[in-house]
Amino acid sequence: DAGITQSPRYKITETGRQVTLMCHQTWSHSYMFWYRQDLGHGLRLIYYSAAADITDKGEVPDGYVVSRSKTENFPLTLESATRSQTSVYFCASLGTSGGDLGTDTQYFGPGTRLTVL
Amino acid sequence: AQSVTQLGSHVSVSEGALVLLRCNYSSSVPPYLFWYVQYPNQGLQLLLKYTSAATLVKGINGFEAEFKKSETSFHLTKPSAHMSDAAEYFCAALQMDSSYKLIFGSGTRLLVRP
Repeated sequence: DAGITQSPRYKITETGRQVTLMCHQTWSHSYMFWYRQDLGHGLRLIYYSAAADITDKGEVPDGYVVSRSKTENFPLTLESATRSQTSVYFCASLGTSGGDLGTDTQYFGPGTRLTVL
Repeated sequence: AQSVTQLGSHVSVSEGALVLLRCNYSSSVPPYLFWYVQYPNQGLQLLLKYTSAATLVKGINGFEAEFKKSETSFHLTKPSAHMSDAAEYFCAALQMDSSYKLIFGSGTRLLVRP
């Protein structure tokens, strides 16, 4: 299916375990993003990637690791999950119409609801 | 640092009434601005965006927003609310650097009463 997908959609894990959230887009967009959504905070950027093998920290990167070996995939790993990482995680990609990327649209995946016990 | 403020975490209107969701941005340079809608258990869907063309922007589902530089505002309106408009709405500003990341407001939940 065309678009941006995330897996799993729901995940329950325990404190200290490693968890990887997957994100896949079919458009070959250069930019991809990971946000977390928490009540009262809206969405906050964790990491972003401008292209394959290029990643950078966002607003709340501590405790997370990302990689981008292929343009279409952007996995997010929680190395040792903590309760404070209980959240809904959204992946997004940024399309380009060949002009100003700022005028293009960020497309969001359906989200992964993660609970850390 | 750039920030986005949404006044009112919850807004309740009657079906058929005017919808007004408020958004103010803080930036010395007028940013690109976006409104997204999130239905329950779904991702975010773009409603409309301002990218320095027309100050009155029309979006999907009958929504529109007006960019007012003097007030640093980008309020979202719809003349007549429908039950299907009940959702959470997020205003966002584009970070004006090479990251192209969005700075989000905290969101406003719209409730529509029959």
